[in-house]
Amino acid sequence: AQSVTQLGSHVSVSEGALVLLRCNYSSSVPPYLFWYVQYPNQGLQLLLKYTTGATLVKGINGFEAEFKKSETSFHLTKPSAHMSDAAEYFCAVTRSRYGQNFVFGPGTRLSVLP
Amino acid sequence: EPEVTQTPSHQVTQMGQEVILRCVPISNHLYFYWYRQILGQKVEFLVSFYNNEISEKSEIFDDQFSVERPDGSNFTLKIRSTKLEDSAMYFCASSPAVDTQYFGPGTRLTVL
Repeated sequence: AQSVTQLGSHVSVSEGALVLLRCNYSSSVPPYLFWYVQYPNQGLQLLLKYTTGATLVKGINGFEAEFKKSETSFHLTKPSAHMSDAAEYFCAVTRSRYGQNFVFGPGTRLSVLP
Repeated sequence: EPEVTQTPSHQVTQMGQEVILRCVPISNHLYFYWYRQILGQKVEFLVSFYNNEISEKSEIFDDQFSVERPDGSNFTLKIRSTKLEDSAMYFCASSPAVDTQYFGPGTRLTVL
């Protein structure tokens, strides 16, 4: 069975500071990994994904994540936080076959302080 | 850019009533999903649908739930007799024959 943990249900950073949101997964097969962002009262928007190939993936809004198989991690980073980054961030994993359901982590709420 | 749409955005119903949540997936996608998110909790998988049949479902998806693709565009989730604990945000998603799932904006279901 697959599972996702996200360390820190709430992370606060100052505007301009580094953003680091942690995601660890467990999977018995090679995983596909995703980060989604949810703004208040909105749906889930894909930030970035890892399927195969380069382990450092870049997404929208300046975010990137690195797949580290040895650490079973897929942490999300952004060099400089912006007020508009305040949202809920979900890490998700699926098996490396299409059509499989996602397993989501519990989410991390990011607050950006002026 | 094509996107998944869902109607209604908010549905209020009485306990015991039937509700149908509607979704229009992206037109060339082959896989369809329903997820739910109870307020303040994580997103949970309900069911996936491919080739006009359920391909996978979670333990949440009991006999009170059903899905249907009544025509070439709509994908519906029916809850036969709603319970208070069905109150949640319901997300539809679709994917092509590759990995990424594209989510709709959700329907907020409130059961009174």
